[in-house]
Amino acid sequence: EAQVTQNPRYLITVTGKKLTVTCSQNMNHEYMSWYRQDPGLGLRQIYYSMNVEVTDKGDVPEGYKVSRKEKRNFPLILESPSPNQTSLYFCASRIRPGANVLTFGAGSRLTVL
Amino acid sequence: QQQVKQSPQSLIVQKGGIPIINCAYENTAFDYFPWYQQFPGKGPALLIAIRPDVSEKKEGRFTISFNKSAKQFSLHIMDSQPGDSATYFCAAGGNDYKLSFGAGTTVTVRA
Repeated sequence: EAQVTQNPRYLITVTGKKLTVTCSQNMNHEYMSWYRQDPGLGLRQIYYSMNVEVTDKGDVPEGYKVSRKEKRNFPLILESPSPNQTSLYFCASRIRPGANVLTFGAGSRLTVL
Repeated sequence: QQQVKQSPQSLIVQKGGIPIINCAYENTAFDYFPWYQQFPGKGPALLIAIRPDVSEKKEGRFTISFNKSAKQFSLHIMDSQPGDSATYFCAAGGNDYKLSFGAGTTVTVRA
């Protein structure tokens, strides 16, 4: 089944403890992206990647890092999480940067205490 | 600052009613306007999309109306069903490959 898989789906952590949210897609998509969803703010883009080794900042990149070493994987790294990073995170991909359909993962709910 | 303003925040209708969600944008470079549907515990999924060369697009019970001069577009759900209860996001994109999303509208359809 064609899909975007995120892990973990739920995580509670403490301030300053580094964590990584993994994202993998099995559709050979060039473009991948991370969003955070917060009430009243909708989906805001954190980082995106047009292809392997090509990443760029979205609208809210502060406090996050990403890497794209392989086409299928696009992990989101929080080096020193803070409570304001408590959110619902979504990874998404599309076959090429200009393609219409963005396929989302099921989401990762992160709580930082 | 959100580039796409969406209203209302939430909406409750009876089965068979027509919920209407409105979105407005400022950036005239936007040329692609999709709507995403999100069920609880799931990621958003593309529902329907329109480009500015048409004023209306229908797919099943879902209709997008687009007003280019007013820079507004809306989603109508005809003959709404309880299974349509979800959060709906409008979005807008241009040739920079980015999508800007609205804040979302939670639609509840009561049986």
